[in-house]
Amino acid sequence: GAGVSQSPSNKVTEKGKDVELRCDPISGHTALYWYRQSLGQGLEFLIYFQGNSAPDKSGLPSDRFSAERTGGSVSTLTIQRTQQEDSAVYLCASSLGGAARGYTFGSGTRLTVV
Amino acid sequence: GESVGLHLPTLSVQEGDNSIINCAYSNSASDYFIWYKQESGKGPQFIIDIRSNMDKRQGQRVTVLLNKTVKHLSLQIAATQPGDSAVYFCAEVNDSNYQLIWGAGTKLIIKP
Repeated sequence: GAGVSQSPSNKVTEKGKDVELRCDPISGHTALYWYRQSLGQGLEFLIYFQGNSAPDKSGLPSDRFSAERTGGSVSTLTIQRTQQEDSAVYLCASSLGGAARGYTFGSGTRLTVV
Repeated sequence: GESVGLHLPTLSVQEGDNSIINCAYSNSASDYFIWYKQESGKGPQFIIDIRSNMDKRQGQRVTVLLNKTVKHLSLQIAATQPGDSAVYFCAEVNDSNYQLIWGAGTKLIIKP
């Protein structure tokens, strides 16, 4: 596609429920990143996928968070048993390689846990 | 740990004036620095970057200055326009690491 697409754009969920956030990267981009952004704050790295390599999950805040990338394209970030502190904007970005300069971000999914 | 931070959380500028947004960093080993612009409801957009072996780089209406002596980075926006209203983030990166280290952001407000 022309850009990075994320869905849904907004998600309100009850505490304790599971949620899935989707990211469609730019076609051909081998690298995909998930970040989390709290209101008025910078971006917190969550996970990184590069080609067929094992993902770097070092940024995932707890074992309730997981992500997968199928066929080297679409990625899904899953949060199990959501907590109120999970409320944030979840941003996905893709790039041709590891070069940060080439990041293209999606518009994010605003998650609200009530 | 290493960090990148901003001096001012909010900056108000008269339309037409120049804006200067500042950033301090602590990792002298970073290979380059990037400025991103984030408008409300959107993801960050790349504005300009500068490698650590440079002092200045110019783009369209924007200039980035790097002072390695005091570990300071600035973004200058000439003739600020209403469309420049956004939150601006600086970030640093090492060539050996794909991760960006982000600052907290500066909100730029344009006064008519």
